Amino acid sequence: AQSVTQLDSHVSVSEGTPVLLRCNYSSSYSPSLFWYVQHPNKGLQLLLKYTSAATLVKGINGFEAEFKKSETSFHLTKPSAHMSDAAEYFCVVSDLFGGGYQKVTFGTGTKLQVIP
Amino acid sequence: DAGITQSPRHKVTETGTPVTLRCHQTENHRYMYWYRQDPGHGLRLIHYSYGVKDTDKGEVSDGYSVSRSKTEDFLLTLESATSSQTSVYFCAIRPREELTDTQYFGPGTRLTVL
Repeated sequence: AQSVTQLDSHVSVSEGTPVLLRCNYSSSYSPSLFWYVQHPNKGLQLLLKYTSAATLVKGINGFEAEFKKSETSFHLTKPSAHMSDAAEYFCVVSDLFGGGYQKVTFGTGTKLQVIP
Repeated sequence: DAGITQSPRHKVTETGTPVTLRCHQTENHRYMYWYRQDPGHGLRLIHYSYGVKDTDKGEVSDGYSVSRSKTEDFLLTLESATSSQTSVYFCAIRPREELTDTQYFGPGTRLTVL
């Protein structure tokens, strides 16, 4: 079975403090994992992707995520929040099968508020 | 934006009317997807296409149909719109390489059904 749980629907941080957005996943295979960001009234932008290479993945805008198989987690972090980071973040799990068929599940999203 | 456009970007319609949303891509990608986004649900797959005239249902396909008569266009039709179909609709593509599973998204269409 495939599922994604984003543990917080809202996270609020002060500008300049660390960001932690939590994601747990379930898959019967060896999935790829993604984080996307959506700014208000915009489409989804790929932040980063894990595909079974390095467990620590670096993305755009200073974000990174660590894949922990034993904990089935893929938490997103950033050392220092910026006002422009205020957005909604989606964790996504993907399984790719023969013939190119793909099953994808999106988390329900975490809204990040950054307080000046 | 991976060369994806969606039209219209905003639409208001009345219950019972048919509505067609268009997704257009310029890079010859094989895989195309339609999702809807609703608060508290993330994105949910409506239909997808793996080639011209090759489509299949997603998890929330009831009340929707799709067509893909040429590689660059993937159309989503609401046969008789209902208020429950008020949502933001996103098109996505997956690049043609078979081993990649990254999807790239269009800007979205905000649909309101009165």
